Amino acid sequence: QSALTQPASVSGSPGQSITISCTGTSSDVGGYNYVSWYQQHPGKAPKLMIYEVSNRPSGVPDRFSGSKSGNTASLTISGLQAEDEADYYCSSYTGSWVFGGGTKLTVL
Amino acid sequence: QVQLQESGPGLVKPSQTLSLTCTVSGGSLSSGDYYWTWIRQPPGKGLEWIGYIYYSGSTYYNPSLKSRVAISLDTSKNQFSLKLSSVTAADTAVYYCARDWAAGGTPKFDPWGQGTLVTVSS
Repeated sequence: QSALTQPASVSGSPGQSITISCTGTSSDVGGYNYVSWYQQHPGKAPKLMIYEVSNRPSGVPDRFSGSKSGNTASLTISGLQAEDEADYYCSSYTGSWVFGGGTKLTVL
Repeated sequence: QVQLQESGPGLVKPSQTLSLTCTVSGGSLSSGDYYWTWIRQPPGKGLEWIGYIYYSGSTYYNPSLKSRVAISLDTSKNQFSLKLSSVTAADTAVYYCARDWAAGGTPKFDPWGQGTLVTVSS
């Protein structure tokens, strides 16, 4: 399985909204509603933010939302805050797992 | 609240075998709802799924690593382990253990261990 495609970086100002895309194929992202998103701050372990495309675990702010259209999944963060600055990874489950290359979010 | 903690040598010589253990607290490895998983992250790079073990002992590995990987389970100690043979510098990474909920029908990794850096160098 090839890695999912994410933009290397995105940026936004506090209070703004940003969207990170995650593009796969009909064999992974497009074929299953098993896309999850992880936030990783420097030197820390990844943290689950979204699972099954759009479900949010308890404790994750509702500023974080997920969606999917065709072979592309998206993570949207609204009302950007300084603490959202981190790396974000998407992943897709098809019986095995594949990750995206990661996106560095900078809050200007 | 389930917590995972990786342990093992931080330095391994090339061609040798990397061995790590993940200790699970606050929950049992014997639950049929989870796969117990290893994931790694080379310095400055992205995440790579290594494989998982189920409470029954069945395993599933990333095809790119399958010939060198073995994951095992010790339910008496509530631990699972990773062995990666014939390592090279390309295997230098932070290794994470995580709980995968896919066995129960909800694929996601949660929680994760804090990670442990393994460097392959002579």
